[in-house]
Amino acid sequence: DQQVKQNSPSLSVQEGRISILNCDYTNSMFDYFLWYKKYPAEGPTFLISISSIKDKNEDGRFTVFLNKSAKHLSLHIVPSQPGDSAVYFCAASEGNFGNEKLTFGTGTRLTIIP
Amino acid sequence: GAGVSQTPSNKVTEKGKYVELRCDPISGHTALYWYRQSLGQGPEFLIYFQGTGAADDSGLPNDRFFAVRPEGSVSTLKIQRTERGDSAVYLCASSLKAGNSPLHFGNGTRLTVT
Repeated sequence: DQQVKQNSPSLSVQEGRISILNCDYTNSMFDYFLWYKKYPAEGPTFLISISSIKDKNEDGRFTVFLNKSAKHLSLHIVPSQPGDSAVYFCAASEGNFGNEKLTFGTGTRLTIIP
Repeated sequence: GAGVSQTPSNKVTEKGKYVELRCDPISGHTALYWYRQSLGQGPEFLIYFQGTGAADDSGLPNDRFFAVRPEGSVSTLKIQRTERGDSAVYLCASSLKAGNSPLHFGNGTRLTVT
């Protein structure tokens, strides 16, 4: 069973607009969430994280929102830039601030249209 | 600075053969992780080391898979009697220590079993 779900395999957004990537999870024991970005033929790169004690974390153009009651998180990128075109993975782990054993979603391919 | 290095970048082997995949973590990182990414899926946890010892090997699919990290730095993932279903990208990551420091992934080894 897929404990972390990214239901949109792909998303296209105009340059300069907001990109919103969504992620749902089923395991109520997850309490630390991360987003990774992956370019072709490279490993995933850490982007931003959030602990379950928060509902929002912001880092420059990237903001992650967490809705624990809905078991839903989202990543907002604004403004979107061509270099943001990549596959984005949502990941989760149990244990406060733990990242030893991450459960990943299947990814969303984001394409920024110039 | 140097990132996580994985060799070889590509490996093609025949069904039934033995393979070894190598990972050189970032210098000073005490935690090391192996993940596997199959086509169309997100990375899947295999095992992680804190220092020389395997702290959690619950993701290894069966006893054909084994990993070592004898001196607390370089790690080798070993797969015996390879099967076609083992074909995937094997990703290694390291972090300063297990816990709240982000994982830094290598570019992976693409294993193809024919």
